[in-house]
Amino acid sequence: QQQVKQSPQSLIVQKGGISIINCAYENTAFDYFPWYQQFPGKGPALLIAIRPDVSEKKEGRFTISFNKSAKQFSLHIMDSQPGDSATYFCAASIENSGGYQKVTFGTGTKLQVIP
Amino acid sequence: DAGVIQSPRHEVTEMGQEVTLRCKPISGHDYLFWYRQTMMRGLELLIYFNNNVPIDDSGMPEDRFSAKMPNASFSTLKIQPSEPRDSAVYFCASSLGSGAPTDTQYFGPGTRLTVL
Repeated sequence: QQQVKQSPQSLIVQKGGISIINCAYENTAFDYFPWYQQFPGKGPALLIAIRPDVSEKKEGRFTISFNKSAKQFSLHIMDSQPGDSATYFCAASIENSGGYQKVTFGTGTKLQVIP
Repeated sequence: DAGVIQSPRHEVTEMGQEVTLRCKPISGHDYLFWYRQTMMRGLELLIYFNNNVPIDDSGMPEDRFSAKMPNASFSTLKIQPSEPRDSAVYFCASSLGSGAPTDTQYFGPGTRLTVL
């Protein structure tokens, strides 16, 4: 199974609050989990990524929590700001037999941070 | 570097017409990817190239879609004939590396295609 399920589809958070986006996967062969951020009219851009050998990775206000046994991972945005308003995609990657990268994306979460 | 360049940024065409989308990857990147983004299906990988060679085109929806990469600095995605259900934003992305999962994909700004 190559599917990555993402929730919620949309999220409204007050400025200063915590935004939480969840993802779940089925294929235990996935070995790299990036998150992408997409602003309106722009392409997705890598935000932060984690490998399954760690349970948490933090970069500034952005934290990925990873639960390998549950096959779930989540993005937390602390002290959410209006400038964080964007669509966020979780993704999972597997190195197939040819050694080439292939990324499976979640369906996206549209985050709106209101003042 | 200017990043991944796509043209046109917007394309409006009528059903049955041929549409050609263009992409210039970041110089030196070995991999090029074409994605389609819609509200219903999210971001879907259509095809990707390694060193100008198509590696996996299993995501191409049907024979009306074709992609080429004649050289390291240029790729096209063609739809012939186009249909209204092809309306979407098409992204091109490129990455540098050996195929390791950690290679970051850099996306272009996308082409918004509307087929009437």
